[in-house]
Amino acid sequence: GQNIDQPTEMTATEGAIVQINCTYQTSGFNGLFWYQQHAGEAPTFLSYNVLDGLEEKGRFSSFLSRSKGYSYLLLKELQMKDSASYLCVAESDRGSTLGRLYFGRGTQLTVWP
Amino acid sequence: DAGVIQSPRHEVTEMGQEVTLRCKPISGHDYLFWYRQTMMRGLELLIYFNNNVPIDDSGMPEDRFSAKMPNASFSTLKIQPSEPRDSAVYFCASSPPWAGGLGNEQFFGPGTRLTVL
Repeated sequence: GQNIDQPTEMTATEGAIVQINCTYQTSGFNGLFWYQQHAGEAPTFLSYNVLDGLEEKGRFSSFLSRSKGYSYLLLKELQMKDSASYLCVAESDRGSTLGRLYFGRGTQLTVWP
Repeated sequence: DAGVIQSPRHEVTEMGQEVTLRCKPISGHDYLFWYRQTMMRGLELLIYFNNNVPIDDSGMPEDRFSAKMPNASFSTLKIQPSEPRDSAVYFCASSPPWAGGLGNEQFFGPGTRLTVL
């Protein structure tokens, strides 16, 4: 089966740094996505990790540890527009075909001025 | 490109009625996904297609749900008969041909908010 755990809510202030943690258990694992979803909108891609380590992309970084079934999304220099839900998404390993995605329930981040 | 297009954006119907949701993927994308999002269960994959062929429909809740992809630029998700518990936001997403080994970013449409009274 698939199980993805992430905190339901987090708050932070503008300019701060926040880390959103995610643990996953999947029967077959290929990689880990993070998606951002603003209220009333569609999810949009933020990052993808397939190897252990940190991937940095501007103010956002994502980390993966395959042996620990753990990932985090790090947001620096927070802005008001970063208030959104952040979805941790595990991709299953289906061998010769595209992996299926399993979405966490999302972490609702609120950034205060 | 206009992105993934879904219609209608909002649908309100009565229990027992047939509902048809429509999706046009991004041109050149050969994967198409249908998701359902609720507060209780989050985002769930219902079915996905590759080159118009259904690959995995294990997420389709029951026989009341059906999905088709008659060509590369159009897909439908049908619920017949609809029930109040089907109320949710239904997203369609598409992704480009799979390069193998690495994950494919999925591009989501704006969603259809379905309310079944």
